Amino acid sequence: GAVVSQHPSWVICKSGTSVKIECRSLDFQATTMFWYRQFPKQSLMLMATSNEGSKATYEQGVEKDKFLINHASLTLSTLTVTSAHPEDSSFYICSASPAGIKYSYTFGSGTRLTVV
Amino acid sequence: AQRVTQPEKLLSVFKGAPVELKCNYSYSGSPELFWYVQYSRQRLQLLLRHISRESIKGFTADLNKGETSFHLKKPFAQEEDSAMYYCALISQGGKLIFGQGTELSVKP
Repeated sequence: GAVVSQHPSWVICKSGTSVKIECRSLDFQATTMFWYRQFPKQSLMLMATSNEGSKATYEQGVEKDKFLINHASLTLSTLTVTSAHPEDSSFYICSASPAGIKYSYTFGSGTRLTVV
Repeated sequence: AQRVTQPEKLLSVFKGAPVELKCNYSYSGSPELFWYVQYSRQRLQLLLRHISRESIKGFTADLNKGETSFHLKKPFAQEEDSAMYYCALISQGGKLIFGQGTELSVKP
């Protein structure tokens, strides 16, 4: 089955630094990947849609300069949290959909970001 | 507006009891609806989708367009069913939109 690998699974960084999170589709190509943010026992909030070879589209209220998304290949999307602050601490999850298969979403295992 | 509402944050039942996790949606047209499950410390995984009309792990969900609902049901809950459950729909922009989630706790 379709597998999405997300790395790192957890990261601790200092305020003001940047952190990069990778999302890879291991056995399929994904023209579109999605980035979510999840608070403990709460919903997944869609942050942005990552499109291979073009700019990401961000949801309302999400700062595109803070959350930089790059989708340079059909198997890799990255989310960089720039100038991180403690309020950016959260669980970030990516999702990918195999090209050509409608409405099939596979999720990564998530990244726990803690900004100190 | 396209929206998914799960009114219960926590549902606690005893093993063997029936369980129903509620989901209501707001969508113009025919929605694509899903239930996802997230076990403790595991990734989100698809439980079922309405167009498949399948039963996974004993769970079923029926789309009721009149009531705009897609409730998840299981006749006899098991302890291993304890998890977070999310109802979701595909927006008209092709994005997966989640409800707030319901934590199901099945007590022995």
